[in-house]
Amino acid sequence: DVKVTQSSRYLVKRTGEKVFLECVQDMDHENMFWYRQDPGLGLRLIYFSYDVKMKEKGDIPEGYSVSREKKERFSLILESASTNQTSMYLCASSPQGVGELFFGEGSRLTVL
Amino acid sequence: AQSVTQLDSQVPVFEEAPVELRCNYSSSVSVYLFWYVQYPNQGLQLLLKYLSGSTLVKGINGFEAEFNKSQTSFHLRKPSVHISDTAEYFCAVSALAGYGGATNKLIFGTGTLLAVQP
Repeated sequence: DVKVTQSSRYLVKRTGEKVFLECVQDMDHENMFWYRQDPGLGLRLIYFSYDVKMKEKGDIPEGYSVSREKKERFSLILESASTNQTSMYLCASSPQGVGELFFGEGSRLTVL
Repeated sequence: AQSVTQLDSQVPVFEEAPVELRCNYSSSVSVYLFWYVQYPNQGLQLLLKYLSGSTLVKGINGFEAEFNKSQTSFHLRKPSVHISDTAEYFCAVSALAGYGGATNKLIFGTGTLLAVQP
């Protein structure tokens, strides 16, 4: 089975802190995604990557950056966390072509 | 731009009753459509997908969906629900690239909470 692992299920950070959310997949997928999930808004795409060291902005990239140094790992970085970044963050991966996204269990971030 | 509309934010239903969760999308070209389920405190799991072929798609856990191009809909149905079906359900459509082809980025609806009561 495909497994997408997000390093932290729950995090509490302070405003202004730098936050790293890590995601690792074990199926050699080319594509990786970071979504943000908020009640009433569904999932919104922050960034995605279709290859190592490649990244593209999604619909809401402001305040975020990403890093993909290895194929299996895709990191989401909040350079200076703010309270409006309190949310559930979901990582996903998929093989080339159109098809299923495989999701991790999510990282719930609270910024105080 | 493409979009997905799930008009019902919550659908209460009694156990063993049938249910339909509605999904409408906007796109001027052919798209791929998906339904995902999210159980409490978990990530999303694929229920079913429509890529091409038969417009009636069967998925896991007894769910099915029908692609209706003329009505731009992809409603999810189950003839008899169980308590364990209580979850949030998301409809998604593949985003289009600049040249008009489908990409593997998904645009999600806002979700429908299916609340099954005994």
